[in-house]
Formats: sequence, structure tokens, C-alpha cells
Amino acid sequence: EAGVTQFPSHSVIEKGQTVTLRCDPISGHDNLYWYRRVMGKEIKFLLHFVKESKQDESGMPNNRFLAERTGGTYSTLKVQPAELEDSGVYFCASSQGPGSTQYFGPGTRLTVL
Amino acid sequence: AQSVTQPDIHITVSEGASLELRCNYSYGATPYLFWYVQSPGQGLQLLLKYFSGDTLVQGIKGFEAEFKRSQSSFNLRKPSVHWSDAAEYFCAVELNAGNMLTFGGGTRLMVKP
Repeated sequence: EAGVTQFPSHSVIEKGQTVTLRCDPISGHDNLYWYRRVMGKEIKFLLHFVKESKQDESGMPNNRFLAERTGGTYSTLKVQPAELEDSGVYFCASSQGPGSTQYFGPGTRLTVL
Repeated sequence: AQSVTQPDIHITVSEGASLELRCNYSYGATPYLFWYVQSPGQGLQLLLKYFSGDTLVQGIKGFEAEFKRSQSSFNLRKPSVHWSDAAEYFCAVELNAGNMLTFGGGTRLMVKP
């Protein structure tokens, strides 16, 4: 069974540009989560999808971040325009349902110059 | 405020020595508790989890953790560390099933030959 995959693994962009991160969850997992770790800080929750619906987006830092999960399969996280403080590692996780383990992808390392 | 604390940012142990990584949480109720490990270049891998029942939990790779309600702790232990255990370890809590994970700041483990 394939795990959670994320693309790209690394992205280097300039301030003001747009970047889109993609996450493919484990097949059949309705729950999809985005987390972020900025340099030197803890991993922080961004948002949670159940199928295609946003269950909880309380961790989204501001309106420069837009997450979608059309069709309830893969998800994208767009940052537009990117700022220096957006640099960090963005993790995606998926789970089958309440009480089940969240499985994490390898992360996307975003560097904003 | 609700939080997860890993007091040790870095720990260095000799190969073959025992290991204990500390984790304390601050929540009104007992949350679900997790330990994840991130090896260099890899995603987060679940080591073990505690939901209820026996307070001593066995995980993969020879790790175990003990939940102590009175101390609000969930420390990770291993009797004999291997060089391949060098990684960053994260304690996490989930307040309600299906909700987001809240992570500690991580403990980076180095193993001396």
C-alpha cells in the first residue's frame, strides 16, 4: 500500500511568487491534514479536510494560504504571494477516521528568498 | 494554554546505552498520546500511541512509553540504543478523536559509537 506522498520535495521561490504544494493521501483515507514546521519551531496544524470539506482551518496563518481538496482525493496548498516567513517544511497526513492513526508524508521543504 | 513540552532539545547517548525522552502535556483531560520519529530525509513515522488501558505501551523498533496521569507525562524509553536510532523525536497529543495533533518542539537524538 502506498503511503502519503507529497510533491515537490523541495521548492525554492522568491518573495512575492506563488507556490502550490500537493498531497496525495493514502487511498481510502477521508481525513487529510496539513501541518507546517518553520525553522526552530514546533510542528503546527494548519487545517483538516474530511473528504472535500474543510473541517477545521483554524491553523491557517492568513489569507495568503489557500487549501483545496476537490473530489476528496488529493489536496493542494497554495501560497500566494509567498513571504519570507513562509519558509519551512509542510507536512501532509491522512487517516481513515476518528481515532485512527495519522500517517505522514515526507514533507515539502519550502524556501522563500 | 494547552501545550506539549519536550524539555530536551538535544540528547547524546552512547550506542548500547539506555534512553529516556521526556514529554509533558498540559490539558484538562487525558488526550490521546503519540510519539513520532523523523529520520534524516524521511517523513514522520509513528512509533507508538496511547488511547486508553495499559499505561505502558510497546511500539516499533524496541521503543516503549509510559503514561503517568499524575505527572501528565508520556516519556519514551529504549533499553539499548542503536546508531540507527539517531533522529528527531516528537511527542504529540490529540485532544479528541479525529482532531488535529499538537506537537512538542522535538528532541534531536545523537548516538555516539
